[in-house]
Amino acid sequence: NAGVTQTPKFQVLKTGQSMTLQCAQDMNHEYMSWYRQDPGMGLRLIHYSVGAGITDQGEVPNGYNVSRSTTEDFPLRLLSAAPSQTSVYFCASRSPQGADGGYTFGSGTRLTVV
Amino acid sequence: DQQVKQNSPSLSVQEGRISILNCDYTNSMFDYFLWYKKYPAEGPTFLISISSIKDKNEDGRFTVFLNKSAKHLSLHIVPSQPGDSAVYFCAARRYGNKLVFGAGTILRVKS
Repeated sequence: NAGVTQTPKFQVLKTGQSMTLQCAQDMNHEYMSWYRQDPGMGLRLIHYSVGAGITDQGEVPNGYNVSRSTTEDFPLRLLSAAPSQTSVYFCASRSPQGADGGYTFGSGTRLTVV
Repeated sequence: DQQVKQNSPSLSVQEGRISILNCDYTNSMFDYFLWYKKYPAEGPTFLISISSIKDKNEDGRFTVFLNKSAKHLSLHIVPSQPGDSAVYFCAARRYGNKLVFGAGTILRVKS
């Protein structure tokens, strides 16, 4: 049981490049989310999904795109990378029936935009 | 607008003593409060949560207290162990899928 798997673990992009951060979970969780972590700011919600075909914006959605074609996968696309998107990105999932309300997080993708 | 605040960037505690991490929030619509623990180069790990209808939840060495009138919650770790050294994030959920996180508190447990 792998949990939440994020790839790649590290990435360096040039300004203006695009790329997709992959996230997959094998727990059949309906809810999935993307967060970014910046120093002194905790984790901020980028986009989230409550099921296949349903996505919505979080707190900091600009410059990012998501889609959810399957329950397992929730990729995050950077359309035109900017230095301000240098961050650590975390994907998370949970079941809406989960009693404790907690999310399971992936190990993160560290992105540097130069 | 920071809805969840952890005002102590760091905390240092002696092994065996109690660690108390604090969190304040501003939105009275939050229905669940959670604590996450994070080691370097790893994702956050869920630790313990509390529903807004309760005022205390215990799980082994970890207890979370919620004071709704003060919009304050705290995490108590007793006894503290060196392996507890990590960043602790407080988070709050508003009826569904969105979590709002605090900035985190670095806990150092000295042996």
